[in-house]
Amino acid sequence: DQQVKQNSPSLSVQEGRISILNCDYTNSMFDYFLWYKKYPAEGPTFLISISSIKDKNEDGRFTVFLNKSAKHLSLHIVPSQPGDSAVYFCAASATDSWGKLQFGAGTQVVVTP
Amino acid sequence: DAGVTQSPTHLIKTRGQQVTLRCSPKSGHDTVSWYQQALGQGPQFIFQYYEEEERQRGNFPDRFSGHQFPNYSSELNVNALLLGDSALYLCASSLSSREETQYFGPGTRLLVL
Repeated sequence: DQQVKQNSPSLSVQEGRISILNCDYTNSMFDYFLWYKKYPAEGPTFLISISSIKDKNEDGRFTVFLNKSAKHLSLHIVPSQPGDSAVYFCAASATDSWGKLQFGAGTQVVVTP
Repeated sequence: DAGVTQSPTHLIKTRGQQVTLRCSPKSGHDTVSWYQQALGQGPQFIFQYYEEEERQRGNFPDRFSGHQFPNYSSELNVNALLLGDSALYLCASSLSSREETQYFGPGTRLLVL
């Protein structure tokens, strides 16, 4: 039962342009959402998070948007840089599942010159 | 400030054997979670340890067990290994606060032959 879905397995974007990654979820009890970036042979690196009481959170080049009514969140990276090429995972946790993160399958981002 | 460390980095076992993986949390963290990541998928939650007890468990059989020590480090044990247990095993640490972000180690790559 995949409760967090990333429907785009890959995304190619030009350097300097905006990358938009999408994530959908089905569990209405999810109230905390995170994005992680993963390079090959490394563990996931935390990027940014958002609580369900907010609809937007920014940190430098990264902005996460949350639409609770649509059960949808997105990550915007502006401007995209070659070092952003990685797999990006969306994750969520629920009020009644302390610290149990549920992950999407990931989106492979390739930033081209 | 040391991040999350895991050992070993790689491991090869045969079916039916037992394996122990180790994790040291990030300095100041008291909670350790374990995840299994199969090829092409997002990490799947195995269990979480806090105050030396299992606090949350995912949908994994009893062959998967763990332990947390007084210094907050943790072990993951898998008995009666199956070919399907081949995966990247990730350890993540956090503070006990519910919305604290989880920080991941580099993982242990387990191959079962």
